[in-house]
Amino acid sequence: RKEVEQDPGPFNVPEGATVAFNCTYSNSASQSFFWYRQDCRKEPKLLMSVYSSGNEDGRFTAQLNRASQYISLLIRDSKLSDSATYLCVVNRIDYKLSFGAGTTVTVRA
Amino acid sequence: DTGVSQDPRHKITKRGQNVTFRCDPISEHNRLYWYRQTLGQGPEFLTYFQNEAQLEKSRLLSDRFSAERPKGSFSTLEIQRTEQGDSAMYLCASSTRVSNEQFFGPGTRLTVL
Repeated sequence: RKEVEQDPGPFNVPEGATVAFNCTYSNSASQSFFWYRQDCRKEPKLLMSVYSSGNEDGRFTAQLNRASQYISLLIRDSKLSDSATYLCVVNRIDYKLSFGAGTTVTVRA
Repeated sequence: DTGVSQDPRHKITKRGQNVTFRCDPISEHNRLYWYRQTLGQGPEFLTYFQNEAQLEKSRLLSDRFSAERPKGSFSTLEIQRTEQGDSAMYLCASSTRVSNEQFFGPGTRLTVL
């Protein structure tokens, strides 16, 4: 079983729509959680850290459910520029990140 | 630009050749990481430095791979006797000791013919 599993999508949504997706992680000792965004053939870029209480950054909301070991990301009012692959990332030891394979989101005009 | 930089951005080599990649982290970051990413997958951890000390190597890092960070600043990743299976994007990231947020460089895309 992979340490971090994501629905690969693609999620194809119109501009202005809300899109949400989850990932699950296998190790209950995981300490830190992140969402990274990766554009085609580019490096991953940190989108947001995910805190136990849930957190919001503009149109993006992240939630963490430790009991069920899943993390979610919700994007409101989708923009064309939100089209990307979203990587769910878990930090089990204090330095090594474990990445999911990514969820592809395509926002259409 | 004060972000993580990597050189070269692209490398095409023939099977059996040696290649070396360089990473310059964000200047105040004392942790440096190497990852490998293949198409359709997320990055996979290869190795990690805190200052000049290499603290962990993944089992993905065979004996043909070696990484150094001699002065605790830039790092190099060398692959000896390259194989076609080594074709991938090699990503470098850095962070401070107090934060788990890692910032990635643009990567070196390796193609082994």
